[in-house]
Amino acid sequence: QVQLVQSGAEVKKPGSSVNVSCKASGGIPKSSGISWVRQAPGQGLEWMGGIIPLFGTTNYAQKFQGRVTIVADDSRNTAYMELRSLRSEDTAVYYCALADHAGYDFKYWGQGTVVTVSS
Amino acid sequence: EIVMTQSPGTQSVSPGERATLSCRASQSVKSDLAWYQQKPGQAPRLLIYGASTRATGIPARFSGSGSGTEFTLTISSLQSEDFAVYYCLQYNDWPPIYSFGQGTRLEIK
Repeated sequence: QVQLVQSGAEVKKPGSSVNVSCKASGGIPKSSGISWVRQAPGQGLEWMGGIIPLFGTTNYAQKFQGRVTIVADDSRNTAYMELRSLRSEDTAVYYCALADHAGYDFKYWGQGTVVTVSS
Repeated sequence: EIVMTQSPGTQSVSPGERATLSCRASQSVKSDLAWYQQKPGQAPRLLIYGASTRATGIPARFSGSGSGTEFTLTISSLQSEDFAVYYCLQYNDWPPIYSFGQGTRLEIK
C-alpha cells in the first residue's frame, strides 16, 4: 500500500520561498507520476505541476510557470516542491498526489502541508 | 488548457434520495475523468476513474457515466457520510496537464 508523507507546516514572509517534501513508501510503480495540488482556504483544488521520476520530466500549470520547481530524488523516494516569491494568496494546504502511471488519475494523496504567508 | 465546469455549485438533498452531479469539459477528454470526494480537513479520496470505474473499496451506490465532454456522478441513495464536496479531474492531456472542476458541495436538505 503506497503511503505519501509530507513535511510539516510552514510560516513564510511575503517574497520568500517555501520547500515542501513528499516521501513515498510501500512500493512505488516505476512509471508513476507525482503532482502537487493546492487548496486555498475555502476554495477548490488547483493542480500546480508534476514530475515523472522515471524520465525526470516536469510539467507545470501555466499559472505557476517560472515560480514553482518540482524535483524528485529517486534514492530517497521523495519529491520536492519549491514555490518562490510568495504572496498572501499562496496561503493554502499543499498536497502531493501520486498516479500509478504518469498521466493517470491520482490514487494516493499525502496528508497535506499548511503553508501560511504572512508578514 | 482544458477547463472543467461542475454544476451545480451546491446541491441540497435529503438522506436516502439520489444525487446527480455534473462535470463538463471544454474539449473532449475521452474517458480520462475521475471523481473525488473531500471532507473537511481531509485529503481528497478517489471514487471513480476512467469515467465509470469505481476505485477500490468504493460502495456500489456511487456510479459514474459519460465520455467526451459530459460526465455525471450519481449517488443512488445518500448516506450521512456522503455529504461532502465532490471534484472532477481530467487527465487526458499528454504531457500530463491536469485540471479540476471547481467542486460541487452536497449538503443535507
